[in-house]
Amino acid sequence: QKEVEQNSGPLSVPEGAIASLNCTYSDRGSQSFFWYRQYSGKSPELIMFIYSNGDKEDGRFTAQLNKASQYVSLLIRDSQPSDSATYLCAVTTPYSGAGSYQLTFGKGTKLSVIP
Amino acid sequence: GAGVSQSPRYKVTKRGQDVALRCDPISGHVSLYWYRQALGQGPEFLTYFNYEAQQDKSGLPNDRFSAERPEGSISTLTIQRTEQRDSAMYRCASSLFGRERSDEQYFGPGTRLTVT
Repeated sequence: QKEVEQNSGPLSVPEGAIASLNCTYSDRGSQSFFWYRQYSGKSPELIMFIYSNGDKEDGRFTAQLNKASQYVSLLIRDSQPSDSATYLCAVTTPYSGAGSYQLTFGKGTKLSVIP
Repeated sequence: GAGVSQSPRYKVTKRGQDVALRCDPISGHVSLYWYRQALGQGPEFLTYFNYEAQQDKSGLPNDRFSAERPEGSISTLTIQRTEQRDSAMYRCASSLFGRERSDEQYFGPGTRLTVT
């Protein structure tokens, strides 16, 4: 049973601070890791993905992956009120099903950026 | 270009009725996924198509649920004899290839199904 765990929050940070979102996963065979942002009442929106150990930066966002610890994180620098949303961590395992790269999601962490 | 579209956006049906939910993926996307999302939860996988072939239906909860993608583009998820527990947001996602670890899935707006 593949599991993806996230702290449900809410996580509150002041505007301009760094928001740190964490995710752990149970299946060591998981190969790709995705972060989605979901505003209330909207569909998940892909922020970034990572599949190699280390850091990957894209603008204000940095994804970090540690496969040995089965841990993924997302850092948001210079947090803005518009970043307030639920952040979903998702993983794929290449041998799940007949070749599908289905995403297994965590429950999401609700982030609130306080002006 | 246009994103993933789904219709209807909202569907209210009576228990026991059949419903059909439609997904139109991003043009040229080979892979199509159906997910179901309950309130306060992440999306949960239902089924996967590669072109017109349904290659993974391991997430379908029971045999009342079926899906098809006959021409490798538009897909329909059908729920027969609906029950109240089927009420949820049904989301469709598409990706360009679906067989690469970096393949990105893009989600549609979803269909909110309410069974009364």
